[in-house]
Amino acid sequence: IQLTQSPSSLSASIGDRVTITCRASQDISGYLAWYQQKPGRAPKLLIYAASTLASGVPSRFSGSGSGTDFTLAISRLQPEDFATYYCQQVKRFPPITFGQGTRLDIK
Amino acid sequence: QVQLVQSGAEVKKPGASVTLSCQASGDTLRNYYMHWVRQAPGQGLEWMAVISPSDGRSTYAQNFQDRVTLTRDTSTSTVYLDVSRLTFEDTAVYYCARLYYYDMTTGFDYWGQGTLVTVSS
Repeated sequence: IQLTQSPSSLSASIGDRVTITCRASQDISGYLAWYQQKPGRAPKLLIYAASTLASGVPSRFSGSGSGTDFTLAISRLQPEDFATYYCQQVKRFPPITFGQGTRLDIK
Repeated sequence: QVQLVQSGAEVKKPGASVTLSCQASGDTLRNYYMHWVRQAPGQGLEWMAVISPSDGRSTYAQNFQDRVTLTRDTSTSTVYLDVSRLTFEDTAVYYCARLYYYDMTTGFDYWGQGTLVTVSS
């Protein structure tokens, strides 16, 4: 199962709302997760089951979608949100697959 | 508190092998698939392998099938990743992560801190 994530990079300002999309090559129902990764750190789970916020994740993060099309939205960007974001399918493995990542930079 | 603690950084020569470990504390491996993911410098996340909690069977990504071995020691809640015939392209940070066996929609909720493997002559 291939995951196509877009855009590959994004520039935004503090307080903006941004969206990142992830398209699966076949139906994965809700078996999609989103991760945030900062330089030198392990990825951190943000969203699982396509739309469920992981423990401790701020409510400005939200996920939506089912089947093949998914979206991660971040409202009211904060300085700590500038990072790289990955989607991941866990419907079927091997292999687990990840999107290629979206780098979110401050404008 | 759950932690996945990985072994320290390694420097290896081309053609050598390396063994990485990942020990779970605060929980056991019993209910979790344990996965390994690697990340080359400046690159994305690449899934490598998984070991099942039910029978200890391992499954590998096609790219690694003939030179990666994943094993576990349930008595110490530790999984081991062996990578043989290293090349420069194996230089990366290697992560372990867990996935709940009974509900895979939960994603990789805990990750190890990562182990840097540098392949250098």
